[in-house]
Amino acid sequence: DSGVTQTPKHLITATGQRVTLRCSPRSGDLSVYWYQQSLDQGLQFLIQYYNGEERAKGNILERFSAQQFPDLHSELNLSSLELGDSALYFCASSVGGGADYTGELFFGEGSRLTVL
Amino acid sequence: EDKVVQSPLSLVVHEGDTVTLNCSYEVTNFRSLLWYKQEKKAPTFLFMLTSSGIEKKSGRLSSILDKKELFSILNITATQTGDSAVYLCAVDRGAGKSTFGDGTTLTVKP
Repeated sequence: DSGVTQTPKHLITATGQRVTLRCSPRSGDLSVYWYQQSLDQGLQFLIQYYNGEERAKGNILERFSAQQFPDLHSELNLSSLELGDSALYFCASSVGGGADYTGELFFGEGSRLTVL
Repeated sequence: EDKVVQSPLSLVVHEGDTVTLNCSYEVTNFRSLLWYKQEKKAPTFLFMLTSSGIEKKSGRLSSILDKKELFSILNITATQTGDSAVYLCAVDRGAGKSTFGDGTTLTVKP
């Protein structure tokens, strides 16, 4: 158990809908990262937050957004869903996120999104 | 475009065999190279490598980085069925912005 909690574990929805994925980082970790893992693209970095502020952005679509709250939990919002958004969405956390970043990410067990 | 390529894509061995997994990369702003093991669910951290030529070891697993040739290898000796997993290589480009390879699926047969 990495200490990172993600909910829901599974989600099935229809095209055009909107969903919210939630992540609670390990106690004491200030950084939260979101990754998408699909069968044809491997693990893709989406976005990172550090202590409530966006720190780095990867291949995140405009239909997706995220935020990190004062209690450090994070939410990833996916809207206008398409079939191709079906994937496993991982949240990870780390102690630091800038110059103090150690490189070690602790991953949650993922939220599996199926868009029908 | 940043790229991390792992080989082989899959590998089947028998218990007791030694395996070598490869990871080559072309990225801007290299900070470190990381290896993860992914069983059914979340990837778990194995190693972080930042300096060339310094081997990192953990039990039967070891890894080394060559920053001149832009590659890393992960060795597993005396493999066990519990080593069966997807092994992911990632390059950190700063502040957690990591580029992952597609992984090597290792199957260890009894």
